[in-house]
Amino acid sequence: DSGVTQTPKHLITATGQRVTLRCSPRSGDLSVYWYQQSLDQGLQFLIQYYNGEERAKGNILERFSAQQFPDLHSELNLSSLELGDSALYFCASSVSGDTDTQYFGPGTRLTVL
Amino acid sequence: GQNIDQPTEMTATEGAIVQINCTYQTSGFNGLFWYQQHAGEAPTFLSYNVLDGLEEKGRFSSFLSRSKGYSYLLLKELQMKDSASYLCAVHTYNQGGKLIFGQGTELSVKP
Repeated sequence: DSGVTQTPKHLITATGQRVTLRCSPRSGDLSVYWYQQSLDQGLQFLIQYYNGEERAKGNILERFSAQQFPDLHSELNLSSLELGDSALYFCASSVSGDTDTQYFGPGTRLTVL
Repeated sequence: GQNIDQPTEMTATEGAIVQINCTYQTSGFNGLFWYQQHAGEAPTFLSYNVLDGLEEKGRFSSFLSRSKGYSYLLLKELQMKDSASYLCAVHTYNQGGKLIFGQGTELSVKP
């Protein structure tokens, strides 16, 4: 158990819908990262927040957005869902948000039908 | 651009030693991580190399050559539970904590 929690574990929804994934970092960690893992793409970095501010951005679609709240938990919002958005979404956290080790949560498996 | 290459699959025998290679081409290289991931589970941290050389941690060791853009993960005394995917990930300067992952190497340990 890494100490990072994610909810829900599984999510099944239809195309065109919107969902919100939630992540709570390890105690003391200020930085949160979101990654997407699909069968054909491997683990892809989406976005990083550090102490409430966006720190780095990957190839995150415009239909996706995220934020980190004052209590440091983070939410990833996915809208206008497409079949290709079906994937495992992982949240990770680290202390400082630079070269320190990232600890991953158990992931949310999103299935878009 | 940035490119990370790992073999897709490897097979080894219980009790043996296996070496998983990773080559990378990135600008602003700042360090390399290895993670282990069992199917459907979260990646778990194994090692981090920023300087050239070997880092040893129990049955697992990791090596880095910055000049050659090359790293390997060495697993000794293989156990069945080591069957998993091994992910190489590169960190670069000026991109916060962003990690660029390779596709992963699926290791099967046979009895």
